Amino acid sequence: QVQLVESGGGLVKPGGSLRLTCAASGFTFSNYYMSWIRQAPGKGLESISYISSGRDYTFYADSVKGRFTISRDNANNVLYLQMHSLRADDSAVYYCARDFEGRYASGWQFWGQGTQVTVSS
Amino acid sequence: NFVLTQPHSVSESPGETVTISCTGSGGSIDSNYVQWYQQRPGSAPTTVIYEDSQRPSGVPDRFSGSIDSSSNSALLTISGLKTEDEGDYYCQSYHSRVHPSPVFGGGTQLTVL
Repeated sequence: QVQLVESGGGLVKPGGSLRLTCAASGFTFSNYYMSWIRQAPGKGLESISYISSGRDYTFYADSVKGRFTISRDNANNVLYLQMHSLRADDSAVYYCARDFEGRYASGWQFWGQGTQVTVSS
Repeated sequence: NFVLTQPHSVSESPGETVTISCTGSGGSIDSNYVQWYQQRPGSAPTTVIYEDSQRPSGVPDRFSGSIDSSSNSALLTISGLKTEDEGDYYCQSYHSRVHPSPVFGGGTQLTVL
C-alpha cells in the first residue's frame, strides 16, 4: 500500500534552516509528481511546492520562493524540502502528497501524516 | 488571481443532505479541475472528490461533486450524513493548466448534530 512518511520537523529559531524528508513506498516513486502542502495552526491548507517526476520542473508559492528548495531522489524514493531563512509564519504542519496515477492537475491522491515545524526564539 | 471562497461553516442533522459551495473569482471555475478534501480533527487531509466529480476508491457514494457554471461554483454534496462526516472540507483547483499553480479554498467546517 502507498505510504508517505514525513520527518525532519522540529523547533528552529527565526532565520534558521531545516530539511524535511518524505519517504515513499508502495508505488513507483519516479512516475509521480510530488508536493509539499502546509497548514499553519488553526488555518487552512497551502500548497507551497511541487516537483515533476523527472525533476525538470518545480513550483514554489510566492510565500516560500527563494527560501525553500524542493528536490527528490528517485533511486531511493525520497522527497525533500530544504527550508532556509525560516520565519514565524512558516510554523505549520508540513504534508507530503502524491498525485493521482496518470492524471495531471487533478489534486493529490495520497497524503502523509505530516511533520510539525515550529519557528520560534 | 484565482480565488476560491467557501462558507466558513455548515451544519446539518444525521441522515440529511448538505451541500458545500466553492465559488471562484478571478477566473472560470471550469477552466481546471476541482478537488475536495476532508480533514477530520487531528488528522491529515484525505481526498473525497477529484476532477470535479470523481470519487477515489474507498470513498462512499454519499459524496458527490459537481460544477455549477452559472454561479461559477463547485459543489460538494454529502447525503445520508453521518457523525463521522464531521470535519473541515477544502476545495482546491489551479490558477492555470500549463504549469498549474494550486489554490485552496479557505475551508468549511461541517458539523453533524
